[in-house]
Amino acid sequence: QKEVEQNSGPLSVPEGAIASLNCTYSDRGSQSFFWYRQYSGKSPELIMFIYSNGDKEDGRFTAQLNKASQYVSLLIRDSQPSDSATYLCAVKGNTDKLIFGTGTRLQVFP
Amino acid sequence: GAGVSQTPSNKVTEKGKYVELRCDPISGHTALYWYRQSLGQGPEFLIYFQGTGAADDSGLPNDRFFAVRPEGSVSTLKIQRTERGDSAVYLCASSHPETGTDTQYFGPGTRLTVL
Repeated sequence: QKEVEQNSGPLSVPEGAIASLNCTYSDRGSQSFFWYRQYSGKSPELIMFIYSNGDKEDGRFTAQLNKASQYVSLLIRDSQPSDSATYLCAVKGNTDKLIFGTGTRLQVFP
Repeated sequence: GAGVSQTPSNKVTEKGKYVELRCDPISGHTALYWYRQSLGQGPEFLIYFQGTGAADDSGLPNDRFFAVRPEGSVSTLKIQRTERGDSAVYLCASSHPETGTDTQYFGPGTRLTVL
């Protein structure tokens, strides 16, 4: 079992819709959870981080964490074509390294 | 301000050769990380420096890989006797002591191709 699992996609949503990206992790000791966006040929860019169970909102983005289910998700409201990218879920335990999933490719079509 | 910079942006080498990849972190960032990203995969941790010392090198795949950060700023990742399987994008990230190791800012990466 991989430490961080994501559906590779692509996830296709129409412009203006809500995109829902999901991630599960195996280490119950994980403490910090991150979502990165990566455009093709570019480096990862941090979108959000979340530490506590529940929701955290930042603009059009909402991160959701459920530690009991070892599940973290990212919702993108009012999706735009410019949101089309690969979204990487990353987890950090009690060390300083990030463990990444393979990423979910999101396509937002006009 | 300037972000993390990495040089070269692209490196093509032949199997068996030695390569050096350089990372210049954001000014004032004490923590520096190296990751490797293969096609279709997420970044994979290699090594983490806090200041001049390697705090965690558990991700280095074997003894052909070595990294240094002699003055606590610029870091060099060194790969000896390169193999075709070393081909990947090598990413460097840094973080500020005040924000801790959670906020890691990535550089543009060096694409290494081993022929």
